[in-house]
Amino acid sequence: KNEVEQSPQNLTAQEGEFITINCSYSVGISALHWLQQHPGGGIVSLFMLSSGKKKHGRLIATINIQEKHSSLHITASHPRDSAVYICAVSGNQFYFGTGTSLTVIP
Amino acid sequence: DAEITQSPRHKITETGRQVTLACHQTWNHNNMFWYRQDLGHGLRLIHYSYGVQDTNKGEVSDGYSVSRSNTEDLPLTLESAASSQTSVYFCASSETVGGETQYFGPGTRLLVL
Repeated sequence: KNEVEQSPQNLTAQEGEFITINCSYSVGISALHWLQQHPGGGIVSLFMLSSGKKKHGRLIATINIQEKHSSLHITASHPRDSAVYICAVSGNQFYFGTGTSLTVIP
Repeated sequence: DAEITQSPRHKITETGRQVTLACHQTWNHNNMFWYRQDLGHGLRLIHYSYGVQDTNKGEVSDGYSVSRSNTEDLPLTLESAASSQTSVYFCASSETVGGETQYFGPGTRLLVL
């Protein structure tokens, strides 16, 4: 059983659509992280949150500690948002989801 | 600007050979991590270090070793490379383990023939 589960695994959207990626976890955590992996392979951190909601540009991340669930939303999606989005949780160590592959079509 | 680098970026080797992947960070972070990424598995922890002379095994440590002689470097050694170790390897660092962001290197693609 994976400590971090993401859904969907793959997602295709039309440009401009509102996108939601979900993450559920089963371990105690200090924080939850959303990462973006570009087609070239590089991984960058988008958000780190331990409660509530954070917003950066068109990206919004929320977390519900009681339900052990987080969502990443992308508003007005754009082809440059195409990437793999990875949910990770940190406590005693880091656990990673398998990622959601997003393709935004012009 | 502080950064984390990995070398080589690509490596082809033969089974049975010893291979060392380098990781160097200038963030002055105490914590450093090595992960491998394979299709269908996500990132899996190989080894990690919380400081100089400290090393710990992760989820998939068999066949790998690390040493930490200074703050900046955590080299990963494959003692006798196996085809199952063909993967993309990422090094990362963070200031603390629990709540801080991890900064990732660009990755090393390793092919073991």
